[in-house]
Amino acid sequence: GDSVTQMEGPVTLSEEAFLTINCTYTATGYPSLFWYVQYPGEGLQLLLKATKADDKGSNKGFEATYRKETTSFHLEKGSVQVSDSAVYFCALSDRGGSEKLVFGKGTKLTVNP
Amino acid sequence: DGGITQSPKYLFRKEGQNVTLSCEQNLNHDAMYWYRQDPGQGLRLIYYSQIVNDFQKGDIAEGYSVSREKKESFPLTVTSAQKNPTAFYLCASSIPPGQGGRGANRRTDTQYFGPGTRLTVL
Repeated sequence: GDSVTQMEGPVTLSEEAFLTINCTYTATGYPSLFWYVQYPGEGLQLLLKATKADDKGSNKGFEATYRKETTSFHLEKGSVQVSDSAVYFCALSDRGGSEKLVFGKGTKLTVNP
Repeated sequence: DGGITQSPKYLFRKEGQNVTLSCEQNLNHDAMYWYRQDPGQGLRLIYYSQIVNDFQKGDIAEGYSVSREKKESFPLTVTSAQKNPTAFYLCASSIPPGQGGRGANRRTDTQYFGPGTRLTVL
């Protein structure tokens, strides 16, 4: 079945450092790809998405490009802030009709001042 | 403001008791979902519903039940048959594909999440 693998954390960075969180997927067909962010004690918020190959999703300085050839959707940010500290989830959408989301296990990011 | 609400935020249950978690949305979304989140794990799908009066089992439906009598509401009951119910429960909603209108927004498989309910079994 479909699956998502993302780099294990936790990841600890200093403010203004460059961030990469790797995400690769296995899927039949052409899924949509997502990054969600979860702040402590809260639900998930959509960070960005891409629906087809070579699409780039971007939001709040974060970017990710849908790479079909490498089945990847790595999350990047050029300069992280303390407020970016959260858990980040990569996910894909099953386009088989149910549109179920399949999630990676999440990567906890801590940004220190 | 449109959104998804879940109540209560924290819930405590004694072993052997059933408990119902509330999920309400005013986004006019047809599809609704329930996920379970355990520490260090991704989210796992419990049940989903694409339309009123219809729902399907997800990957971990055993010990849970749902109903979808109204478009806005998708309550989840955690029954005494669920062996390890302590977890964080998240509800989500979306517009199923083909119903998002025309143009670039037609594919609306994005799911929007509520704030979650943390269930603890004592």
